[in-house]
Amino acid sequence: ELKVEQNPLFLSMQEGKNYTIYCNYSTTSDRLYWYRQDPGKSLESLFVLLSNGAVKQEGRLMASLDTKARLSTLHITAAVHDLSATYFCAVDRGEYGNKLVFGAGTILRVKS
Amino acid sequence: GAGVSQSPSNKVTEKGKDVELRCDPISGHTALYWYRQSLGQGLEFLIYFQGNSAPDKSGLPSDRFSAERTGGSVSTLTIQRTQQEDSAVYLCASSVVAGVSNEQFFGPGTRLTVL
Repeated sequence: ELKVEQNPLFLSMQEGKNYTIYCNYSTTSDRLYWYRQDPGKSLESLFVLLSNGAVKQEGRLMASLDTKARLSTLHITAAVHDLSATYFCAVDRGEYGNKLVFGAGTILRVKS
Repeated sequence: GAGVSQSPSNKVTEKGKDVELRCDPISGHTALYWYRQSLGQGLEFLIYFQGNSAPDKSGLPSDRFSAERTGGSVSTLTIQRTQQEDSAVYLCASSVVAGVSNEQFFGPGTRLTVL
């Protein structure tokens, strides 16, 4: 059974600081997804990582994938308040049409 | 273009009643998924459609839950004899099943409250 673990589950940061969210998964997969969810809203796709060593960056967020270690990281650089949200990683089994298995989510609060 | 739409946005029902939740996927997306999000269980997969058929129903929690998709487009999730534990946000997603990515795009969700 594919399992996905995120840590930390809650992260309170000061503006301007850097931090990393970790996502571990239990079985072989080359496809990992990061989503953002604002309170009361749906999931917004942030990054799609499709191969070992993949790195994607958007603004202050950078995601990477190490399929050998079964690990993805979401790095936050110089956090700003607008980044406050819940971040989910998700993995599928690498087949078309597969369901996504989500981590529990990391609640990020950036304090001014 | 238009994203995934869902209706109703909120539904309050009494225990034992049946409810229908609707999802309209992104045009051209052949794959459609239903997930459920609740405080205790996080994000759980319910069912996947490819076209009008459902090759993966493994996440449906009981036989009170059913779903159908017609015309390769709109899908309806039906919950019969609702129970309080069915209270959750029901999310629909769609994707293009082609190429390398299985990126799924989510609708705004239906918040179901069973009294």
